[in-house]
Amino acid sequence: NAGVTQTPKFQVLKTGQSMTLQCAQDMNHEYMSWYRQDPGMGLRLIHYSVGAGITDQGEVPNGYNVSRSTTEDFPLRLLSAAPSQTSVYFCASSHLGLAGVNTGELFFGEGSRLTVL
Amino acid sequence: SQQGEEDPQALSIQEGENATMNCSYKTSINNLQWYRQNSGRGLVHLILIRSNEREKHSGRLRVTLDTSKKSSSLLITASRAADTASYFCATQRYNTNAGKSTFGDGTTLTVKP
Repeated sequence: NAGVTQTPKFQVLKTGQSMTLQCAQDMNHEYMSWYRQDPGMGLRLIHYSVGAGITDQGEVPNGYNVSRSTTEDFPLRLLSAAPSQTSVYFCASSHLGLAGVNTGELFFGEGSRLTVL
Repeated sequence: SQQGEEDPQALSIQEGENATMNCSYKTSINNLQWYRQNSGRGLVHLILIRSNEREKHSGRLRVTLDTSKKSSSLLITASRAADTASYFCATQRYNTNAGKSTFGDGTTLTVKP
């Protein structure tokens, strides 16, 4: 099993450019999410999804879009990159448990390190 | 602000010693998780403890949870150089964002051979 696969691993953008970070999982997880990790800090939730066609905002959604057309894929789009979006981005997935919440055992990708100049 | 706060921010010990990390949080939770992150890698889930549990073990890991003090601790016994990593606690509340996990800032553990 590949688990959670993120591409690209590294990307440098200029201010105002757009791009998409890809995330795919092969564990048939219903729940998928995107976090950003800034130096010396924990992870902050950007967007999440509980199934195909269903997405919702997390703590820091501004400047990012997501879609979930399949169970496997959950791309994160930066609409117009800003230096404040320089960060490491992690995709994480899990099964949904009782009451439709994630089980608490998140599986993470290896991260995508983004620099915005 | 972040729900969980780890203490200490950094910990350096010798191989074979025990390492203890603490996590405090602010609101009621359904469960608390601990994750490990090796440098430049993704997070790996270590253990989950539910709000009605007080202690849990997994191999060399021992986790305690005190809901009255809103705190948890992670003990790694007989540490090894391979345990060098950052450790994060994450709290989960089922009524928030499909049970999102809210992470603390992490403790950086260095185990010297």
